Amino acid sequence: GQNIDQPTEMTATEGAIVQINCTYQTSGFNGLFWYQQHAGEAPTFLSYNVLDGLEEKGRFSSFLSRSKGYSYLLLKELQMKDSASYLCAPRGSYQLTFGKGTKLSVIP
Amino acid sequence: EAQVTQNPRYLITVTGKKLTVTCSQNMNHEYMSWYRQDPGLGLRQIYYSMNVEVTDKGDVPEGYKVSRKEKRNFPLILESPSPNQTSLYFCASSSRVAGPTDTQYFGPGTRLTVL
Repeated sequence: GQNIDQPTEMTATEGAIVQINCTYQTSGFNGLFWYQQHAGEAPTFLSYNVLDGLEEKGRFSSFLSRSKGYSYLLLKELQMKDSASYLCAPRGSYQLTFGKGTKLSVIP
Repeated sequence: EAQVTQNPRYLITVTGKKLTVTCSQNMNHEYMSWYRQDPGLGLRQIYYSMNVEVTDKGDVPEGYKVSRKEKRNFPLILESPSPNQTSLYFCASSSRVAGPTDTQYFGPGTRLTVL
């Protein structure tokens, strides 16, 4: 089974940096995804980590520690359009299980 | 254009009236799945399919059926809808379940209301 924990809500200022944490307990771990979801829309892929370490992709970076069951998503130079929910999704053998998401509000 | 399509996008129906939500992908993906999303509960998997004629239950399969007769289509069937199935439904597909490039692509969502 999967047990995923991420903060429910966060608020950050435009231009700042924010880190969204995710801890998980899962059987048959096979990598971890981060998705972005704007209200009422479909989730869209942000990043995928299967090995320990940091993956950087423009303003977004994602980190994974398999031994600690921990990941974070780092968003730099925040923009108003980054206001969305961010979903942590560890993958087991055949399923992708989503956390409840972190709603990020970016304020001027 | 590579995409996952769902129909209908919005549906209001009544308790007990059978309905089908269609899902189609044009990327020749093997893996397809259905999720429902509810406030405070996040995305929960209903059913998934590894390939044609291969389906399995996700975390919340009660009250739903699926079929996978063709690779591109994965319809979700509610034989006797009830109000607790009012939700936002997403179909998703990916090329493989356990590979480095198997990002899931999501359809636009179907907002279902059961009265």
